[in-house]
Amino acid sequence: AQKVTQAQTEISVVEKEDVTLDCVYETRDTTYYLFWYKQPPSGELVFLIRRNSFDEQNEISGRYSWNFQKSTSSFNFTITASQVVDSAVYFCALSEAGEYGNKLVFGAGTILRVKS
Amino acid sequence: DTGVSQDPRHKITKRGQNVTFRCDPISEHNRLYWYRQTLGQGPEFLTYFQNEAQLEKSRLLSDRFSAERPKGSFSTLEIQRTEQGDSAMYLCASSDLSAPTDTQYFGPGTRLTVL
Repeated sequence: AQKVTQAQTEISVVEKEDVTLDCVYETRDTTYYLFWYKQPPSGELVFLIRRNSFDEQNEISGRYSWNFQKSTSSFNFTITASQVVDSAVYFCALSEAGEYGNKLVFGAGTILRVKS
Repeated sequence: DTGVSQDPRHKITKRGQNVTFRCDPISEHNRLYWYRQTLGQGPEFLTYFQNEAQLEKSRLLSDRFSAERPKGSFSTLEIQRTEQGDSAMYLCASSDLSAPTDTQYFGPGTRLTVL
């Protein structure tokens, strides 16, 4: 069965610090997709990134970067020079390429608090 | 494109009442998903439509829950005889099967409180 584990329940940092959010997943499929979503206090889930299981290249987008390692089944997310606006709950999610769509399995989320 | 919209944003009801939520997906998105999120947890999959066909339902979706997408556009989720355990945020997401990446985009959710 698919499973996503985000071991860090809550992280607090001071503005401008770098912070890494951990994500470990379990799946028996060879083709799958990994996602990160951000949920600010307003409640709406905001899509950040999607990676497929064949692409292990790390990705950088502005202050955000993602490290995908199949060998350790991890897909970690780093925010460089954090800002107060980064405060939110961050979810890692996994989906398998199925015949009938790609339902997402989410981790429990990591609450990130960035203090000024 | 406008994003996914959901109505109402908040609903308070008494135990035993029926409630119905609506989701309008991003225009021309053919896949529509419903998830439920309880406090401190990640969203959990409930059901999924491709056009008007309901192709998968989670075992979380008891007989009191029913979802429809009659014309392949908006969708409704109805909960009959609500229970306090139904209190949660109900999230809708849509995606485009024909797009290079079948990424799900979420609406703002409907927060249900059952008294």
